[in-house]
Amino acid sequence: EPEVTQTPSHQVTQMGQEVILRCVPISNHLYFYWYRQILGQKVEFLVSFYNNEISEKSEIFDDQFSVERPDGSNFTLKIRSTKLEDSAMYFCASNIRGGGETQYFGPGTRLLVL
Amino acid sequence: AQSVTQLGSHVSVSEGALVLLRCNYSSSVPPYLFWYVQYPNQGLQLLLKYTSAATLVKGINGFEAEFKKSETSFHLTKPSAHMSDAAEYFCAVSGLDFGNEKLTFGTGTRLTIIP
Repeated sequence: EPEVTQTPSHQVTQMGQEVILRCVPISNHLYFYWYRQILGQKVEFLVSFYNNEISEKSEIFDDQFSVERPDGSNFTLKIRSTKLEDSAMYFCASNIRGGGETQYFGPGTRLLVL
Repeated sequence: AQSVTQLGSHVSVSEGALVLLRCNYSSSVPPYLFWYVQYPNQGLQLLLKYTSAATLVKGINGFEAEFKKSETSFHLTKPSAHMSDAAEYFCAVSGLDFGNEKLTFGTGTRLTIIP
């Protein structure tokens, strides 16, 4: 069964450094998402992406964040200058037709900012 | 804006007992509702979803949920709890329109099964 994959599984970085989190969505899916979950808290939406454009973003997704689909396979989340409060589990998800359809989640990348 | 509220951050039930996890939603348009399960150190797995068809939805692992518009609820139930059901459960709502596909999650309910 096709799965969403994410790399790395864990990343430790210093405050102020740039990080890139990578995701490979399910191959025939057209909508892509990033969510994050701070330890002990609920899952929060960051951004949705369709047809090489951001379709929606949350207040969390400020200028420090960007997304890209560089090669038709990968979907990346970049944090330009990490802050302590960016420490969280980041989940990528994808689905075929957007709203109302099941989103399939990857296993997540645990980011720790020191 | 859409939102969900999960009552009870922790629920404990005995093995073999009924599981009831509560979720209430708020939505100005017909909602699409989901229950996801998260096992320790894993991602989110869909249990079931409501998309305006049958109000009683059956999912994986013996779980089901009933959509009740009058009560704005979508509670998750399982007749007989199993040890393997111990996990965190999230209720979520999404829209349908372009630009409103995101899932909005509740705060989650941690289910503990007592042997």
